[in-house]
Amino acid sequence: AQSVTQPDIHITVSEGASLELRCNYSYGATPYLFWYVQSPGQGLQLLLKYFSGDTLVQGIKGFEAEFKRSQSSFNLRKPSVHWSDAAEYFCAVGGGATNKLIFGTGTLLAVQP
Amino acid sequence: GAVVSQHPSRVICKSGTSVKIECRSLDFQATTMFWYRQFPKQSLMLMATSNEGSKATYEQGVEKDKFLINHASLTLSTLTVTSAHPEDSSFYICSADKTGMNTEAFFGQGTRLTVV
Repeated sequence: AQSVTQPDIHITVSEGASLELRCNYSYGATPYLFWYVQSPGQGLQLLLKYFSGDTLVQGIKGFEAEFKRSQSSFNLRKPSVHWSDAAEYFCAVGGGATNKLIFGTGTLLAVQP
Repeated sequence: GAVVSQHPSRVICKSGTSVKIECRSLDFQATTMFWYRQFPKQSLMLMATSNEGSKATYEQGVEKDKFLINHASLTLSTLTVTSAHPEDSSFYICSADKTGMNTEAFFGQGTRLTVV
């Protein structure tokens, strides 16, 4: 079955600290992987995506993610978190001819001063 | 860029009435659009795939007669929640594929539906 798991429901980090959000997937074919961020009551903004090639992907706002096929993971990282990064983060997997996506349950990030 | 606009952003309706939500791709053509539903503090669940000029494809468990989808043009898909009930209250989000470019789905801002 196709699925995405985000093990951490809620994470709190201090401003300036590093961040890693975990994502594991199960997908029968070559996956396309995405990380989205959602502010309260808002739509989704794409942070980064992986289709092929270099397994370390750079995104917007200083985020990066690494695709590890052997671990079926696509963890999101940021070396220094800013207060404005507080939001909900969704990992998603898709593939094939369309962008029908399967989302993880999300990780709510809180940033403390 | 690729902008997808959803309207309205918020709507409150009475039980038993119908509500239409629009999803427009403003600066590109979208052969395929998707409708998702998000319950509070939960993830997005795909409801249906909307294809221009043809019937929508619904995910298992989604009532097609309750959630009517129309994709009459390459820039507009609509979701109509018919005979709405309080349990239909949710956040509905659409996304659109650029025709000929299936490398990223572009999301609308979402619509908060409250049924009273």
